Formats: sequence, structure tokens, C-alpha cells
Amino acid sequence: DTGVSQDPRHKITKRGQNVTFRCDPISEHNRLYWYRQTLGQGPEFLTYFQNEAQLEKSRLLSDRFSAERPKGSFSTLEIQRTEQGDSAMYLCASSFGEVKNIQYFGAGTRLSVL
Amino acid sequence: DAKTTQPTSMDCAEGRAANLPCNHSTISGNEYVYWYRQIHSQGPQYIIHGLKNNETNEMASLIITEDRKSSTLILPHATLRDTAVYYCIVRPLYNFNKFYFGSGTKLNVKP
Repeated sequence: DTGVSQDPRHKITKRGQNVTFRCDPISEHNRLYWYRQTLGQGPEFLTYFQNEAQLEKSRLLSDRFSAERPKGSFSTLEIQRTEQGDSAMYLCASSFGEVKNIQYFGAGTRLSVL
Repeated sequence: DAKTTQPTSMDCAEGRAANLPCNHSTISGNEYVYWYRQIHSQGPQYIIHGLKNNETNEMASLIITEDRKSSTLILPHATLRDTAVYYCIVRPLYNFNKFYFGSGTKLNVKP
């Protein structure tokens, strides 16, 4: 257990529905990351927060995706109007922001869009 | 960002050393090498990182060639629980933002 919690662990939804995932980082970590991982591939970067500010977004993050980190604590990732191609593992990581910047990952939320 | 090349899969006998290679021939002087692993259905787990010198911790050793174009992760006494996908990642010194994971090496530790 790295100390990064993600909820839910699994989500099954129908195409067109909205879903929201939550990530609770390690408490003293000021940086928070979201990644997406499809079967057989390594995780791909989606977006990154430093405290409450969203500083970078990948081109993978379409307009249907939105992430927030109010008050620089937990973060949510929302996907609107889900598509079958959104089926993946969504991983959250946090780090302290020092030079070595070791990212600690949660167990992920597995999304299945039917 | 420098890219990495790793073998798709490797086998190792339980109790023997597992040596996982990574090629990063385009690495620049201010880029770190990180290794993570991912056991099935879990998030990636940090193993070790280095810049120029060889590094060792309780999990593994990292050997970086003098020209820094390749590195080897060594698990000294592999166990069945070390079966996982191992990712070699190169990260710029002052870019904290993201890791590029690639496809990694699937290490199969066999009894």
C-alpha cells in the first residue's frame, strides 16, 4: 500500500453516461498526476496538478474529460458521455515535488464502458 | 524526451539474479533513469533511479554504463513475487511532470 487511494476500484457504465473517479494522494504530496492505461500498454500521462493548479494536460485529455483538485488535496477525474474507447485503467499518482520526484501510484480504477 | 527500448519479455529461475536491460541511447546529460514495476492488477511501484552512478537499495541495483546510453536493473535473488512488468523511464532533471512508460519487459520468474 503506497498511501495513494483511488475510488472506486472498478466501474461499469453504459455508453453515454458520465463517470467520476476520486484520488486521495499521500497527505504531504503537493503534486498529483492522472494516467490512463490500456491492456498491454504502459501508463500514459493525462494531466498533472501542483497543489490546486492544473499545470499540464495531455492531448489524450479530450473535452469530455475534466479533472479538479480543490484545495490541493484529493482530486477527481470526470468523463462525460463515455465511449467504449474510454475503457481503461485510470491511475493516480502523487509526489512531493523534490528533484528526484518519485511518483507513488494508487491501485487504479478500472473502467468498463458497455 | 529520450526514448527507451526494452525486451518484451524475459524468464528467470527463482533464486537467481534477474538482469533487465534498457537502451536509452538518446539520453541527455540532465536526464534521470527510473525503474518501476507493475504487478498484475496493481499500480506501478517505484524501484530505483539514478543519474550517472550505479545505485543500490533494498530492492535492486541499477547499473548505468559510462556513456549512459544503457542501463541494467538487477534483482539479486528473484522470487516468484517479482513476476511483473518492469518499466525503464528517462526523465529530464527539471521536468517533474510526467513519466513516459513505454511497454516494459514482462519478467517471468519460474520455480
